[in-house]
Amino acid sequence: SQTIHQWPATLVQPVGSPLSLECTVEGTSNPNLYWYRQAAGRGLQLLFYSVGIGQISSEVPQNLSASRPQDRQFILSSKKLLLSDSGFYLCAWSSWTGMIAGELFFGEGSRLTVL
Amino acid sequence: AQSVTQLDSHVSVSEGTPVLLRCNYSSSYSPSLFWYVQHPNKGLQLLLKYTSAATLVKGINGFEAEFKKSETSFHLTKPSAHMSDAAEYFCVVSDFGGFKTIFGAGTRLFVKA
Repeated sequence: SQTIHQWPATLVQPVGSPLSLECTVEGTSNPNLYWYRQAAGRGLQLLFYSVGIGQISSEVPQNLSASRPQDRQFILSSKKLLLSDSGFYLCAWSSWTGMIAGELFFGEGSRLTVL
Repeated sequence: AQSVTQLDSHVSVSEGTPVLLRCNYSSSYSPSLFWYVQHPNKGLQLLLKYTSAATLVKGINGFEAEFKKSETSFHLTKPSAHMSDAAEYFCVVSDFGGFKTIFGAGTRLFVKA
C-alpha cells in the first residue's frame, strides 16, 4: 500500500534562518507531488506541484522553493524565513490517471512557527 | 485559469437537519471536482469526487454533491447532520490531468445538539 511521510512534524525557527521540509512517498511510482500551506483560519494554498523529477511548478511568488531530486521525494526550502512563512505545510501526492484527476493523499503536515 | 469559491466560511445546523455547503468553480476545461473534509487535528480525507461521469455524486458518510455545469456549482449536501460531521470542508477543482489542484478557502460546519 502507498504511504506518505512528512517531517519534521513541528518546527520553530527564527526569522532569517533556513528551512527544509521533506516528504517521501512509498508504494507508488511517478506520483504527482504537491506542497500546500494552510494558514490559521484560511484554506489550503497551493505552493508547488511536480509531475516528475526536476519538474517544479510554482504557484505563488515568495521566498520558498521546492525540489524533487528523486521520483518520490519532494523538498520545500527557504534560505531566509519570514514571519509570514508561519503556517501548516502539507505534502500530498496523486496518481497520474491520464485525463482524470486522481484523489490527493496527504501527509500529516508540518507546523512551522517563525519567531 | 481555474478557481473555486466557497460561498460560506461558516455554516451552523442542528443535529438531524439538512446540510448545504455551497461551492462555485471556474475552469477553462472540463474540471474534476472534489470535496475533502478535515477534522480538528487530523489530516484531509476525500469525501467524494466528480470526474465527468454521473452529475450526482455520492460519497462517504451520507454526503452527496451535484455537478451543475450551467451554474458552475458543486454544492455538498447531506439530508441529516450528525454531531460527528462537525469539521472543515474544502471544495477542490483540478485541471485536465490533475496537475494543478486548487482548494477553496473552506467552510467550517458546526452541528448543534
